[in-house]
Amino acid sequence: EIVLTQSPGTLSLSPGERATLSCRASQSVTSSYLAWYQQKPGQALRLLIYGASSRATGIPDRFSGSGSGTDFTLTISRLEPEDAAVYYCQQYGGSPLFTFGPGTKVDIK
Amino acid sequence: QLQLQESGPGLVKPSETLSLTCTVSGGSISSSSYYWGWIRQPPGKGLEWIGTIYYSGSTYYNPSLKNRVTISVDTSRNQFSLKVTSVTAADTAMFYCARHPPNLYYMDVWGKGTTVTVSS
Repeated sequence: EIVLTQSPGTLSLSPGERATLSCRASQSVTSSYLAWYQQKPGQALRLLIYGASSRATGIPDRFSGSGSGTDFTLTISRLEPEDAAVYYCQQYGGSPLFTFGPGTKVDIK
Repeated sequence: QLQLQESGPGLVKPSETLSLTCTVSGGSISSSSYYWGWIRQPPGKGLEWIGTIYYSGSTYYNPSLKNRVTISVDTSRNQFSLKVTSVTAADTAMFYCARHPPNLYYMDVWGKGTTVTVSS
């Protein structure tokens, strides 16, 4: 099983600041197989990034993804109040076919 | 715009079978080679993939649940369904349905989820 570890567990930042979220895999993940999601209470999960660095349809360009191998990063360049959420990384491949990281909670001060 | 809506009983007794349905609107479940999946999230915990189905009926399951899970598709109703047998309190969770793109690598559209509690 490919285990994903996310850090930090919680990030507390002010509007306009830059958020850097890390996702580390227990073994190498093909970049095409790495995605990021945003979860807000009472709302459907939202795909942000697929293929490690491609923004999904309608996602603002302040969200960007990077990385390869075992280390991936989601960056929110200028935090907006509506970015308060939990962010998950997810990988495809191996057994089970899909695994998720434990999430990073982003609080806006 | 494609929308997914989960439905089913919110309370299931231990040892019984949990049954949920995901209704797809705004698009056909059998079009464009998409896959359809179920994911769950126990209270206060992370996301766990349960399984995925292609409109033709091919399925992929999480080995940790495979012996208890069945996913099926009803193209005439534009729905797909989840059954989990012999449930315990550990199966209490928010259950989400989602669409995978043709390459299967991620989930690009999600339902809002439905809560299922296992309790007598």
